[in-house]
Amino acid sequence: KQEVTQIPAALSVPEGENLVLNCSFTDSAIYNLQWFRQDPGKGLTSLLLIQSSQREQTSGRLNASLDKSSGRSTLYIAASQPGDSATYLCAVTGSSNTGKLIFGQGTTLQVKP
Amino acid sequence: NAGVTQTPKFQVLKTGQSMTLQCAQDMNHEYMSWYRQDPGMGLRLIHYSVGAGITDQGEVPNGYNVSRSTTEDFPLRLLSAAPSQTSVYFCASSSPGGYGYGYTFGSGTRLTVV
Repeated sequence: KQEVTQIPAALSVPEGENLVLNCSFTDSAIYNLQWFRQDPGKGLTSLLLIQSSQREQTSGRLNASLDKSSGRSTLYIAASQPGDSATYLCAVTGSSNTGKLIFGQGTTLQVKP
Repeated sequence: NAGVTQTPKFQVLKTGQSMTLQCAQDMNHEYMSWYRQDPGMGLRLIHYSVGAGITDQGEVPNGYNVSRSTTEDFPLRLLSAAPSQTSVYFCASSSPGGYGYGYTFGSGTRLTVV
């Protein structure tokens, strides 16, 4: 059974710091991996999608990497801002790609001004 | 382009009542799914569908029914609400292959069962 773990569960940093969020999964047979952002009381916003054949994806100050063989992904946030404060969720789709996402518990990020 | 629309946004039910959570998408996505989000439990899959007329159970299907008569709509029915079903429910859709932006989520339905 696929399990997704995110470390740390919570993170507090001063504004301007570069930071890394970690995601690990137990079954390397994935179809893709997606990072989401969730603001309190809101829905999920897709940040980056990495296909299993890809190593990384970039969008603005965000960079996500994928090492499928080791079952790991990282989300790198450059020059963090208070507006980045949110919960970040990692989710994987199994290799059969039936539209099922398995989520990690998330990392709650606070960026202090 | 509205994306994924969920209604209602908030609902309070009494134990034993039934209701339907609506989900509609206008992106012609084949895949649709329902998740519930609970503190300490994360997001868990309830039911999913890979196309009209095809549905299957996820991790926590008990107490819920779904049907998919059209590509656009994927309603979730609570047959007899229980306090354990108090949660935030999210509907999501994607196209096979998950290319582009992958999965798109609705804004959620916050359900309280008293």
